[in-house]
Amino acid sequence: GNSVTQMEGPVTLSEEAFLTINCTYTATGYPSLFWYVQYPGEGLQLLLKATKADDKGSNKGFEATYRKETTSFHLEKGSVQVSDSAVYFCALRIPTDSWGKLQFGAGTQVVVTP
Amino acid sequence: DAMVIQNPRYQVTQFGKPVTLSCSQTLNHNVMYWYQQKSSQAPKLLFHYYDKDFNNEADTPDNFQSRRPNTSFCFLDIRSPGLGDAAMYLCATSRQQREQFFGPGTRLTVL
Repeated sequence: GNSVTQMEGPVTLSEEAFLTINCTYTATGYPSLFWYVQYPGEGLQLLLKATKADDKGSNKGFEATYRKETTSFHLEKGSVQVSDSAVYFCALRIPTDSWGKLQFGAGTQVVVTP
Repeated sequence: DAMVIQNPRYQVTQFGKPVTLSCSQTLNHNVMYWYQQKSSQAPKLLFHYYDKDFNNEADTPDNFQSRRPNTSFCFLDIRSPGLGDAAMYLCATSRQQREQFFGPGTRLTVL
């Protein structure tokens, strides 16, 4: 079946540190990959996406590259801010799924301290 | 701005008392989804509408129902809420198979 595995949190960092959140997946076919961010008490916001191998998604200083050979989509940011404190979800969608259903990872909480 | 709106943001109900959560969208997306998210967990898909076609996830309890009277609105009905139904309920929309856009969620408390 399809699944997404994320590194466990919480990840605690100081401001301006480098952030990496690992995400690997198992899927049939060629999934689209997403990172969503959830701030406390809020819904999920799409952070970035990639739809095919070697695509790099980027937004707000965050980047992730679709690596088919390692079935990974790790999220990185070079210099985090306190405002990046949130829960980050990696997700995949199978293109042949006509409903566009998402398979989420368990989420990784990130805490950035001043 | 086009968006997904959920009302209310916070809902308190009593054990066994029916409750309805509302979702509306101005994106004109044809697919609408309802998720349940418990504390520190990933969202769990309950069901979705593709246009007017209703699609229930296999493990969604019968206690949960949904209505979509038109493209813009979708409702989640919990017929007899139990303590275990306390959660954040997220509505999302998408156009065909494209990315999903989420609303801010409704936090349900069951007393």
